[in-house]
Amino acid sequence: KAGVTQTPRYLIKTRGQQVTLSCSPISGHRSVSWYQQTPGQGLQFLFEYFSETQRNKGNFPGRFSGRQFSNSRSEMNVSTLELGDSALYLCASSLYNSPLHFGNGTRLTVT
Amino acid sequence: TQLLEQSPQFLSIQEGENLTVYCNSSSVFSSLQWYRQEPGEGPVLLVTVVTGGEVKKLKRLTFQFGDARKDSSLHITAAQPGDTGLYLCAGIQLFTGNQFYFGTGTSLTVIP
Repeated sequence: KAGVTQTPRYLIKTRGQQVTLSCSPISGHRSVSWYQQTPGQGLQFLFEYFSETQRNKGNFPGRFSGRQFSNSRSEMNVSTLELGDSALYLCASSLYNSPLHFGNGTRLTVT
Repeated sequence: TQLLEQSPQFLSIQEGENLTVYCNSSSVFSSLQWYRQEPGEGPVLLVTVVTGGEVKKLKRLTFQFGDARKDSSLHITAAQPGDTGLYLCAGIQLFTGNQFYFGTGTSLTVIP
């Protein structure tokens, strides 16, 4: 069974640009969650999607948005990038109330 | 404010030593998971505990869920260099759907 796939693995952007990250969940998993991981803040919850609907949202500004497609694949978008957005962005898929299966993340560097 | 606090934040020990990592909260969780993350990879699930007072063993790792389901501990016996990594606890609360709350993390280094 293929795991969670995130693309791209690495990304370098400049301030003010926007970026889109992609996540393909494990087959059959309808829940996809996104997390931001930084050395100072640890793993911070961004949002969770289930059957194309956002069910939960963390405490992040509106510049962070996401969506989920009918095949459960998900994208996350960050607009007007700031230096502080540099982080590892992790996607995780799961069945409802089951443990998370993480991808290896996208390392975003904003210069 | 972090819902789950882990201690210690950093731990560096010699191979063969024992250690305990703590995950504490003032909130009740319906279940709690422990994950390990290695550099360049996403966290990988180690165990899920559901019942208050539950103890689970995974080879040299022992996990315990507090009686009140507010805290958990991870004990490693005779640590090995392969145990090196970032250990994360994560909990689900009742009535919050599928939202996981992650702990602050414990970075463990086992020196050969």
